[in-house]
Amino acid sequence: RKEVEQDPGPFNVPEGATVAFNCTYSNSASQSFFWYRQDCRKEPKLLMSVYSSGNEDGRFTAQLNRASQYISLLIRDSKLSDSATYLCVGNNAGNMLTFGGGTRLMVKP
Amino acid sequence: DTAVSQTPKYLVTQMGNDKSIKCEQNLGHDTMYWYKQDSKKFLKIMFSYNNKELIINETVPNRFSPKSPDKAHLNLHINSLELGDSAVYFCASSQDGTMVGAQYFGPGTRLLVL
Repeated sequence: RKEVEQDPGPFNVPEGATVAFNCTYSNSASQSFFWYRQDCRKEPKLLMSVYSSGNEDGRFTAQLNRASQYISLLIRDSKLSDSATYLCVGNNAGNMLTFGGGTRLMVKP
Repeated sequence: DTAVSQTPKYLVTQMGNDKSIKCEQNLGHDTMYWYKQDSKKFLKIMFSYNNKELIINETVPNRFSPKSPDKAHLNLHINSLELGDSAVYFCASSQDGTMVGAQYFGPGTRLLVL
């Protein structure tokens, strides 16, 4: 079983839609979590950290549920420019990042 | 004003050759990393260096040897290249080895072994 699992998608949504991605992790020792964004043929870039209390950054909301060991990302009012692969990432006690396989989002006009 | 740079961007070579990829960061970060992203898009850490000292060495064949001449540079040398080494290799850096979430990635080196 992979340490961080995501639905690969693709999620095809119209502009303006709200879309949510979930991610599950198996290592209960993981201490922090993040969402990264990777555009086609580009490097991953940090989108936001994920806190147990939930955190919001503009149209993006991230949530962590430690009891169920899942992380979510909600994108409201989707833009064409949101089309990318979203990587769920955990940081275990060894200070090592473990990446999920990514969820591909395609926002259509 | 590139933060993390890698050279070359593309590398096409024959099996059995030896090649190097260079990485430099101008962010003043203490920790640098090498990742491999395979054709299925999984990103896996290979090595991590903190202030020129190796701190993470995942299960990577010893044909791969990282070298850090100073904390701004982390190069990757690969001996006897194999077909399975074809992938995108990303260099990354972070401010502190204990706050690894905020990592800055280089543009990647696309390696194709024929």
